[in-house]
Amino acid sequence: DIQMTQSPSTLSASVGDRVTITCRASQSISSWLAWYQQKPGKAPKLLIYKASSLESGVPSRFSGSGSGTEFTLTISSLQPDDFATYYCQQYNSYSSFTFGPGTKVDIK
Amino acid sequence: EVQLVESGGVVVQPGGSLRLSCAASGFTFDDYTMHWVRQAPGKGLEWVSLISWDGGSTYYADSVKGRFTISRDNSKNSLYLQMNSLRTEDTALYYCAKAAAGISYMDVWGKGTTVTVSS
Repeated sequence: DIQMTQSPSTLSASVGDRVTITCRASQSISSWLAWYQQKPGKAPKLLIYKASSLESGVPSRFSGSGSGTEFTLTISSLQPDDFATYYCQQYNSYSSFTFGPGTKVDIK
Repeated sequence: EVQLVESGGVVVQPGGSLRLSCAASGFTFDDYTMHWVRQAPGKGLEWVSLISWDGGSTYYADSVKGRFTISRDNSKNSLYLQMNSLRTEDTALYYCAKAAAGISYMDVWGKGTTVTVSS
């Protein structure tokens, strides 16, 4: 099975900061990667699919990049609404749509 | 408006069984693959299972294989998860999610239903 890791596990940042989260796959997943945002008590929300495609309605300050085994999610200027936990997920393998362990972005 | 509403979550004893349901509306249900994803208290997301648009293909996480069965009734716009031989580690919030085109990532999520396995 494909394993996913994320770093850092927690990130403290201020409003206006540029934030980057890294996601790594244990084997190549081409560009079959999605990013989700989850706030406490809420369902996850899709941000990015196919590594770099922005979901409709998601602010353009969110961007994704990467292919193969290494991917990044970047928030260009952190806003108060962005404090949340972020998960990457691979969908290269139908047998296991593995999520990363998550990165919590909190207020510095 | 696309909507997914889960139900059926309760407190059940270890070894027990339970069936979760997910009612879909606002989209052509039988065009899409559907997923179940769970989240244990204070933990991350864990993909559980998926079923193709016609029910012809199903996949399971190793942690539930042989114990859980995913199914759908396209005439009722409904998705199900039959959960047998439940363990304490199955305690979680269970989300129903719609896949984007084909067998792929989740673009719409329900609010979840809570399953607690405890004696």
